[in-house]
Formats: sequence, structure tokens, C-alpha cells
Amino acid sequence: RKEVEQDPGPFNVPEGATVAFNCTYSNSASQSFFWYRQDCRKEPKLLMSVYSSGNEDGRFTAQLNRASQYISLLIRDSKLSDSATYLCVGSSGGSYIPTFGRGTSLIVHP
Amino acid sequence: NAGVTQTPKFQVLKTGQSMTLQCAQDMNHEYMSWYRQDPGMGLRLIHYSVGAGITDQGEVPNGYNVSRSTTEDFPLRLLLAAPSQTSVYFCASGLAGVNTGELFFGEGSRLTVL
Repeated sequence: RKEVEQDPGPFNVPEGATVAFNCTYSNSASQSFFWYRQDCRKEPKLLMSVYSSGNEDGRFTAQLNRASQYISLLIRDSKLSDSATYLCVGSSGGSYIPTFGRGTSLIVHP
Repeated sequence: NAGVTQTPKFQVLKTGQSMTLQCAQDMNHEYMSWYRQDPGMGLRLIHYSVGAGITDQGEVPNGYNVSRSTTEDFPLRLLLAAPSQTSVYFCASGLAGVNTGELFFGEGSRLTVL
């Protein structure tokens, strides 16, 4: 079982919709969390860090729930350009080596 | 801004051949790593380094060697290529420690082993 689990999707939503992804982690000592975006046949790019107090960047909101060991990403007012795979990352406590989830595919259609 | 540069972008090998994937970063990052990405498997860590002269194995190290003689460079060597090593390889760099998850990736190297 991977340390970081994601629903692979795809999540198929219309433009303008609000969509949320969850990512669960098994290592309770994990300290840092991040969301990445990966476009088809491209490299992953950091989307945002996930802080204990939550983090908002425009239409994107990331939350951390330590009690239930999951992080979430909320995308409001979805755009066609949001279509991509979203990867969640947790760093294992102590060594801080990041562990990637397998990604959640989002398709935004007109 | 160069960031993380990987070469080559594409490579075709025959079984048993060896080759080196190059990775260089110009951000003075302590942490560098190599991942392979296969359909349905996500990113899997091959080797990583937390500084010059220090390397360690990741999740799938067999068949690969690395070295870190300088802060900037982190080459990945395939010793005896096998079809199972057909994949997309990404090099990534970042700060070590709590922020290690904030990584910058190269554009990837697509390797096919026949």
C-alpha cells in the first residue's frame, strides 16, 4: 500500500463547476504536503503547498486534516485549462523524502 | 532561467546497452532526485542525493547507478538496459529538509529499450 493514496478519476466536470480531490496519507509522522499539476506528457509542476491552517491561491484552496490524515484540493470555477493530472505529495517524517501519489485526472469540458 | 536541464529528451537503446541520463540544475539546490513514471504507477523514486558526495537509494534502484560529484550535476546511469526500463525519467531538485517536497522538475527523458 502506497503511503499516499489518490482516487485516479477521471473527474469529468463542466466549465464553471467546483471540484474537490482528496488524498490520504498513511504515515502519521508526515510533516509537509504539496499539490502538483502535471499536463499530458509534461513534467510535474508545483501548484501549492498545504499548510496546517489551509492555503488559498485564487480559485484553488488546499486543506490539511491531520486527525483524519488527508489533504484536499478544491478548484472553484473550473476552466478548460485546469484539465490535468493533480498529484499530492507528502514528505516522510525524519528524512523528508517526498512521496508522490499516483495522481487524480481532471477533465473540464465545455 | 535554465532551472533543471535533462538530456537527452529521447533515447532508444537495445537490451544490454548502457547509457547515462544527464541532469543539471543552476539553483544551488542541495536535494536532487531521479524518478521514473510509468502508466498507472505514478512517480517512483530511483535514487536521490542530499548534497555533493551523498547518494541513497529510493524505491526502485535496481539497474541504476548515480553519483553526485558537484552540487549542480546528478547523472543517472543505466548499466545493462532491459525492456523493463522503458519509461519516462524525471530529474528533480529542491531544498533539503522540511521543504524537500517543493521540487523543480526537468522536462523528462523518454527512454525506450528494445
